[in-house]
Amino acid sequence: DIQMTQSPASLSASVGETVTITCRASENIYSYLAWYQQKQGKSPQLLVYNAKTLAEGVPSRFSGSGSGTQFSLKINSLQPEDFGSYYCQHHYGTPTFGGGTKLEIK
Amino acid sequence: QIQLVQSGPELKKPGETVKISCKASGYTFTDYSMHWVKQAPGKGLKWMGWINTETGEPTYADDFKGRFAFSLETSASTAYLQINNLKNEDTATYFCAREGYDDAMDYWGQGTSVTVSS
Repeated sequence: DIQMTQSPASLSASVGETVTITCRASENIYSYLAWYQQKQGKSPQLLVYNAKTLAEGVPSRFSGSGSGTQFSLKINSLQPEDFGSYYCQHHYGTPTFGGGTKLEIK
Repeated sequence: QIQLVQSGPELKKPGETVKISCKASGYTFTDYSMHWVKQAPGKGLKWMGWINTETGEPTYADDFKGRFAFSLETSASTAYLQINNLKNEDTATYFCAREGYDDAMDYWGQGTSVTVSS
């Protein structure tokens, strides 16, 4: 099975900052990579699919990039509603999630 | 609008069985496969498997073969997750999620909490 390694596991940032979360696949997954946001006690929400395509309604301050085995999610100008946990997931065959990144307010 | 509405929280004893429902609305149920995802308390997301809503064929992740069963009631646009012979480590929130275009999970249920305790 393809393993997804996400980093960092946790991240502390202030409103207005720019942050980047990375995800590495154990083998080539082309661009079959999705990012999800999960707030405490809520279900995950799709942010990005196919590595760089924003899901409907997702603000443009979010952007995804990468292909092959290295991917990243960048959030420009953090807003209070952006704090929570983020997960990558490959959707190339049998899905696997990364371990998650908890983004907290500094 | 598209919604996945799951059944309510469950409190079970070890060895018992639980069946969770996921009712879809706002789209044609059989056009999109359904996935199931486990989240243990304080932990990350773990993919359990998926069911082809057109054929009813389930596929299970390795860790979820044996005691777990996915099923459908197509006439009611509902997917089910059944867990048999419950164990303490099954305590978790279980999510259903629709597989959208390009195979990402584009809509999620609100989650169903299952607590297994004697």
